[in-house]
Amino acid sequence: KAGVTQTPRYLIKTRGQQVTLSCSPISGHRSVSWYQQTPGQGLQFLFEYFSETQRNKGNFPGRFSGRQFSNSRSEMNVSTLELGDSALYLCASSLGGQNEQFFGPGTRLTVL
Amino acid sequence: AQSVTQPDIHITVSEGASLELRCNYSYGATPYLFWYVQSPGQGLQLLLKYFSGDTLVQGIKGFEAEFKRSQSSFNLRKPSVHWSDAAEYFCAVGPRGGYQKVTFGTGTKLQVIP
Repeated sequence: KAGVTQTPRYLIKTRGQQVTLSCSPISGHRSVSWYQQTPGQGLQFLFEYFSETQRNKGNFPGRFSGRQFSNSRSEMNVSTLELGDSALYLCASSLGGQNEQFFGPGTRLTVL
Repeated sequence: AQSVTQPDIHITVSEGASLELRCNYSYGATPYLFWYVQSPGQGLQLLLKYFSGDTLVQGIKGFEAEFKRSQSSFNLRKPSVHWSDAAEYFCAVGPRGGYQKVTFGTGTKLQVIP
């Protein structure tokens, strides 16, 4: 069974631009969560989607948004990029509830 | 609010030596507790979890962790470290609803020397 895939793996943008990251969960998984990982802040929860509905949201500004499609694939969008948005963005999928989350390899975003 | 403290940013151990990584949490009720490992360029992999029951939890790759409610701790241990264990380890706490809205510690980077 294929694991969680994230595209692209690396991305370079400049301040003010917007970016869209994609996550394909493990087949059959309906829950997708996004995390931001930085050296200073560690791993921080962004949001979680289940069956196309956002169920949980972390403490990030409205520039960070996401969505989930009917096939459970998820995208997250960051508008008006800032230097501080440079991070590794991790996606995790699960069946939901108490079932284990499986993480993708992440997308490394660099904002110049 | 829930929080996790991993007091050791970096630890170096010799191959074959024992390992203990510390984790303290703050949570208003009995939490779900996790340990994850992240190798360079990889996502996180779950090593073990504690939901309820036996406070000594066995995980993959020979790791174990002990939940001590009185100390609000969930330390990770391994009796004999292998060079392939070099990675970054994250402790995490979450609500009893499952894996969602999990709060991670800042991580402990493990270096293994021959």
